[in-house]
Parts: sequence; structure tokens; C-alpha cells
Amino acid sequence: EVQVVESGGGLVQPGGSLRLSCEASGFTFSTYWMAWVRQAPGKGLEWVANINQDGSEKYFVDSVKGRFTISRDNAKNSMYLHMNSLRADDTAVYYCARITPYAPGFGVYGMDVWGQGTTVTVSS
Amino acid sequence: EVVLTQSPGTLSLSPGERATLSCRASQSITSSHLAWYQQKPGQAPRLLMYGASSRATGIPDRFSGSGSGTDFTLTISRLEPEDFAVYYCQQYSGSPWTFGQGTKVEIK
Repeated sequence: EVQVVESGGGLVQPGGSLRLSCEASGFTFSTYWMAWVRQAPGKGLEWVANINQDGSEKYFVDSVKGRFTISRDNAKNSMYLHMNSLRADDTAVYYCARITPYAPGFGVYGMDVWGQGTTVTVSS
Repeated sequence: EVVLTQSPGTLSLSPGERATLSCRASQSITSSHLAWYQQKPGQAPRLLMYGASSRATGIPDRFSGSGSGTDFTLTISRLEPEDFAVYYCQQYSGSPWTFGQGTKVEIK
């Protein structure tokens, strides 16, 4: 079964750090771009970061630049989101998603495999 | 940053009716760079459409997408009970990737 499973969420104080993990199975992880998307309580979806197949390209939403980093370990079929200097507005469910290239030459992609999410709460 | 504005915010319809959801971009985007997602309460989002008009694997043909430039539409031809959910459009024409704020399709 093709799936991704997130872990590592929890309660952290403002200014603290947390590392989220995403473990993939059922597909060749090393051949896919991957993404993190978050959803604050009662709010919509917000793209957070992407990473390419070998980890050499990384992109972030402005609100997390300089605070979050993204990495992957293809030998472990895993992706990570390292979150530092956490703020109350980082409180959200964090989803890991696979980015599938439907027509890469034309830039046609979709996030077609999602985990169930891991909850991060930033509060004192 | 491309801002996506979805309308209406809430759509109240009965099973069997047609649903038309709009997604408007703040600047022109390539139609192939637009996707739609469905999210039910307590669940992860699900990819419905990519490239504005192509259905993802397993998506029934009552779902269709169209549009170009700044105006895109998701149509559900006949609502089934399992279609009542929140729908998001998303663009990846430029960085950052952005989502619309969502349209909730609720049972009337």
C-alpha cells in the first residue's frame, strides 16, 4: 500500500524546537519530490515546504524561512521538517504529501498521497 | 504571491444537485498549474484534479474542472452524499505555492 505516515508532533513552548518525520512506504521514495502542508485549527491549507528527490532543492513559504529546514534520508524512506523558534501561529496539523509529476515537462503536478497529519501545538 | 479566492464560501445544496465552485487567481496562471483537493472533517486532503481539468486516480467522472488565466471552476454534476466536504484550489505556477481559502459544500 502506498502511504506516508507523519510523527513527531506535540506540545512545545514558544521559541522551542521540534522535528517532524514522514516515513514513506509502498513506492520508490527517492524518485519523488515531497512536501509539507499545514492546517491551523479551523483554517485552510497552507503549503510550508518542498524538497526534491536528492535534497538539493528546497523551497519554503516566507513565514518559516530561516526558522524551518527540510531534509530527507532516502535510505530510510523518510523526510523531516526541523522547526526552530516556534511561534503560536505555527500551531497546526502538519501533513506530509507526495508530489506526483503528471506531466513534468509541462509543470503538471499534484499532491496525491497524504498522511493523516501530526499535530503541533505551540503554547506556554 | 498568487492569491486564490474561492467562492462561494459555503454552498448549500441537496443530493443530486449540481455544484459549481469558483477559484479566481490574483494574476494569470498556467492552467496546467492548478489543482483541486477535497477534505472531509478529520481527514487529510485528497487530490481531485490536476492540470485544472484532469481527474486524479479513482475520482469519479461526476467531478470536472475547467478554466484558464485567472478563472477556474470545479463542477460536481450530481452531488452524492459523500461529496459534502470542503474543496480547495491550489496553484503551483509560482512560489510560494498557495491554496484558496476553501468552499464548503453542505447539505441543504
